[in-house]
Amino acid sequence: DAKTTQPNSMESNEEEPVHLPCNHSTISGTDYIHWYRQLPSQGPEYVIHGLTSNVNNRMASLAIAEDRKSSTLILHRATLRDAAVYYCILRPANTGNQFYFGTGTSLTVIP
Amino acid sequence: DTGVSQNPRHKITKRGQNVTFRCDPISEHNRLYWYRQTLGQGPEFLTYFQNEAQLEKSRLLSDRFSAERPKGSFSTLEIQRTEQGDSAMYLCASRSHLRGSSYEQYFGPGTRLTVT
Repeated sequence: DAKTTQPNSMESNEEEPVHLPCNHSTISGTDYIHWYRQLPSQGPEYVIHGLTSNVNNRMASLAIAEDRKSSTLILHRATLRDAAVYYCILRPANTGNQFYFGTGTSLTVIP
Repeated sequence: DTGVSQNPRHKITKRGQNVTFRCDPISEHNRLYWYRQTLGQGPEFLTYFQNEAQLEKSRLLSDRFSAERPKGSFSTLEIQRTEQGDSAMYLCASRSHLRGSSYEQYFGPGTRLTVT
């Protein structure tokens, strides 16, 4: 199972950017990096994913280190609705099947 | 709403009873996954279907657990002789098999099981 390491919790002020780090030092060359988040009492939802290049979508940006051993999820302006547990997941390209979640980072947004 | 649905949302049962949960995936998705999530932990993979075929099972899926997807559409997860350690949220997810899809899994709201 691919392993990722994330801080247990982080805090951010509302309307400020948030940088959520993830270490994945054992990543292989073909592993994709996925980010999901889970709001209270809901199932996880997709945020973003990438392989090597930085990625942007309407929800967030994903910055991937050049050696791919770490990545950072960037929420450009945190809102109260962004309070959730954020999971960084490695997906092997040769399966595309199940995800192995870690314990994630619990983000608190302070009004 | 065309998302993944799960029923029931909550189930309370006594130890030793059998329970069955249902998952209805997004209609065009042929991949279906079951996960289990305990308090404070991330979801843990249980099993995976491609159409009606169960292709992989986690070692977490003991002999008391069985999952089916008889017609490649909805799926059921049954737990026999429930134990208190089975108390958890059971999550279902589905995804598209089409080339070019992002491998994004769409999760349902989960079924919370409490074994007393």
